[in-house]
Formats: sequence, structure tokens, C-alpha cells
Amino acid sequence: DVKVTQSSRYLVKRTGEKVFLECVQDMDHENMFWYRQDPGLGLRLIYFSYDVKMKEKGDIPEGYSVSREKKERFSLILESASTNQTSMYLCASSLPGKTYEQYFGPGTRLTVT
Amino acid sequence: KQEVTQIPAALSVPEGENLVLNCSFTDSAIYNLQWFRQDPGKGLTSLLLIQSSQREQTSGRLNASLDKSSGRSTLYIAASQPGDSATYLCAVQGSGSRLTFGEGTQLTVNP
Repeated sequence: DVKVTQSSRYLVKRTGEKVFLECVQDMDHENMFWYRQDPGLGLRLIYFSYDVKMKEKGDIPEGYSVSREKKERFSLILESASTNQTSMYLCASSLPGKTYEQYFGPGTRLTVT
Repeated sequence: KQEVTQIPAALSVPEGENLVLNCSFTDSAIYNLQWFRQDPGKGLTSLLLIQSSQREQTSGRLNASLDKSSGRSTLYIAASQPGDSATYLCAVQGSGSRLTFGEGTQLTVNP
């Protein structure tokens, strides 16, 4: 059974903290994605990675960075969390050339106070 | 830039009704369109994928259609059940390696 896991289901952080969201997939997928989901806005792509140490900005990269040191792990970093980064964060992975076949993790609901 | 819009934002129906969810997109140059289901607090599960050359796809009580030239897709759910209650999202894939999602329709089917 294919699986994408995210390190936390719920996370509460304070403004200004550095926050790491971790995503791990066990399908040997090259592509990995980070989205945020907000009511009325759907899913918006933050960053994606098409190989180890490779990354590309999505539609809303401001305030975020990413790290992909190993194929199975893709981390989203909030250098200095702000209240407007309170959201649901979803990670996904896919094979190259099969962006339409993304497997999603359960999500991390981050609250920044 | 591709934009995807879903109507309605929320829908509440009694069990047994047939219903239609709508999705529209601004750029007709797509490779495919996909409908997803999301249960509360969970990730997305793909329901139906329609390639740009196709007009519709069916899976059980679900039927999705695609009219690429007009930038529209519909998801038809027959004989709705309480277990169909979820948020339904459509997404299109354009020329890049990314999906563009709509805002979603939150469906509630009442017993």
C-alpha cells in the first residue's frame, strides 16, 4: 500500500518561530509537492521538487523554503512563522511525467499564534 | 495563468438525489482534468481522470464530463448517499508539471 506521511497532524507555533514540516513517501517517487489549502482558495502550490536537491517555486513561495536531501523526504520550512501562514499543509508525490497521479498525505493543520 | 472555479461552493441534498458539481477553467490548453474527493482532515483521493482527448469517464455512480473548448467539466453523482458527503475538488494539468485546483464544493448528503 503506497503511503505519504506527514510528521504532524496538528501543530501550534508562535509568531517568529522557525517551523519544519516533514513529508516522507515510500514509493520511490521523484516528484514531491507542498500545497497549502485555505477555505475558498482551494489548494495552492508552494514548492515542488523533481529530484534530490532540485526544487522549483510554485504559485505562492513567499515566506517558505524547502529542502530535499533524500529522495523520500521533502521538508517545508517557515523561516519566521506569521499568523497568515496558519493553514492546512498538504504534501504529495508522483512519478516523473505522471503529475496527474499524485498521492497525498493526510495534511498538517498549522496554527500560528 | 490558469484559473479554476467550482460552483457551488457548498451543496446540501437529501439522500437519493442526483446532483451535479461544476468546474470551469480559463485556459483550454490542458492535458487532463481530474476530480478528487477530500474527507474532513484528510488528504485527497482521486476519483476520475479525463484526458484532454476524452469527453467523459465513469466510475460506479460517478460520471465526469469534459468540454475542453468551453472550459467546463461536470461531476454527476447518481443516487447520492450520506457516505458521499465530502469536499470535491477539480484540478487541471497544463503544460507544466503541476496541477491547478479549484476551490472545492462541500457536499452534504442528509439521511
